[in-house]
Amino acid sequence: EVQLLESGGGLVQPGGSLRLSCVASGFTFDDYAISWVRQAPGKGLEWVSTVSGSGGTTYHADSVKGRFTISRDTSKNTVYLQMNRLRVDDTAVYYCSKSIRSAGGCYDFWGQGTLVAVSS
Amino acid sequence: DIQMTQSPSSVSASVGDTVTITCRASQGISVWLAWYQQKPGKAPKLLIQTSSRLQSGVPTRFSGSGAGTDFTLTIDSLQPEDFATYYCHQTNIFPYTFGQGTRVEIK
Repeated sequence: EVQLLESGGGLVQPGGSLRLSCVASGFTFDDYAISWVRQAPGKGLEWVSTVSGSGGTTYHADSVKGRFTISRDTSKNTVYLQMNRLRVDDTAVYYCSKSIRSAGGCYDFWGQGTLVAVSS
Repeated sequence: DIQMTQSPSSVSASVGDTVTITCRASQGISVWLAWYQQKPGKAPKLLIQTSSRLQSGVPTRFSGSGAGTDFTLTIDSLQPEDFATYYCHQTNIFPYTFGQGTRVEIK
């Protein structure tokens, strides 16, 4: 059974940092890209970042470029999202999602989400 | 970036009705279009990939079609568990983008 378990969310002040983790199980970790998708309260879905199956390629949305970094640790079956210089508009539920291919594609499995709240 | 425009933003329907949601891409995306269903407080669920391929376990009352810039999600014989928000999602090129969502409500 495929499982994605996010952690690391919480309340942080503007300008602060958080690191989200997504522990994956139930599939061959290196064979699939993993992404972070966020959803602000009452709003739609927004793609944030993607790391390829090999970890060699990463993509970030313009809204987070230069502030967020996605990475993966094959030895731990874990994907991270390092979030620096957080802003109020980064407040959202952050979902970890598994793509259907190593290079990307749509998301066939999602975690339950972790809430990031940025407020003073 | 490719903009994805869904319509309508919301629709009221009754059990047994047929609902059609459209999604238009600002440029051609071939068939790299997925549809998700999301219920309140839950993660999205993949319904359809590559425009028309039904995901395993998804009821056959859901169907998708289209290519290029215009796509459609159809729900035949709406069931109580289908009341939710639906999103289209282009995966032709990064940055991947979602439509704004269509809320299917009970009439």
